[in-house]
Amino acid sequence: TAGITQAPTSQILAAGRSMTLRCTQDMRHNAMYWYRQDLGLGLRLIHYSNTAGTTGKGEVPDGYSVSRANTDDFPLTLASAVPSQTSVYFCASSPASGRGYNEQFFGPGTRLTVL
Amino acid sequence: GQNIDQPTEMTATEGAIVQINCTYQTSGFNGLFWYQQHAGEAPTFLSYNVLDGLEEKGRFSSFLSRSKGYSYLLLKELQMKDSASYLCAVLDSNYQLIWGAGTKLIIKP
Repeated sequence: TAGITQAPTSQILAAGRSMTLRCTQDMRHNAMYWYRQDLGLGLRLIHYSNTAGTTGKGEVPDGYSVSRANTDDFPLTLASAVPSQTSVYFCASSPASGRGYNEQFFGPGTRLTVL
Repeated sequence: GQNIDQPTEMTATEGAIVQINCTYQTSGFNGLFWYQQHAGEAPTFLSYNVLDGLEEKGRFSSFLSRSKGYSYLLLKELQMKDSASYLCAVLDSNYQLIWGAGTKLIIKP
């Protein structure tokens, strides 16, 4: 079982360019999340989706957009990348949202460098 | 605001016991999670506490005191493979996970 996959593994991007980070899960989880992880800071939620067709803003949504056309895929788009978006991006999924025990499963991450 | 505090780094000896503390101040509480993250890898789930007390799972135990806004992760019989970062996260009133910055645990032979 693949679980949750992300692509690409790493990317160097010129400032001002756009890019889509891909995330796919095969666990039929309802909820999906995008985080960024920076040195010395905790994981910060960018956007989330509680179920296919719905999305919500997290703690740091500016400069990012998401869509959830189906259960499995949750792409993250940077419309015009800036150097402050250099980070490691993790996609995660969980069986449901809005309840206590709700283990999140993480993808392997995408390391993005914006120059 | 919401805040989760953990020590930045800890060092322990192989075979010993180490306790990693986490204190939190969040808007509401619906449970506390501990995750393990090896360098360059994704976080993986270790434990979940929602009631006060100790939850034991093999060499790892997690404790919660809701009145004190405090949790700890206890690792026994430390092995070299336990060298990793340990992330504390609290599920707030909106069922969003608020993450601490993580504690890097270094195990020495």
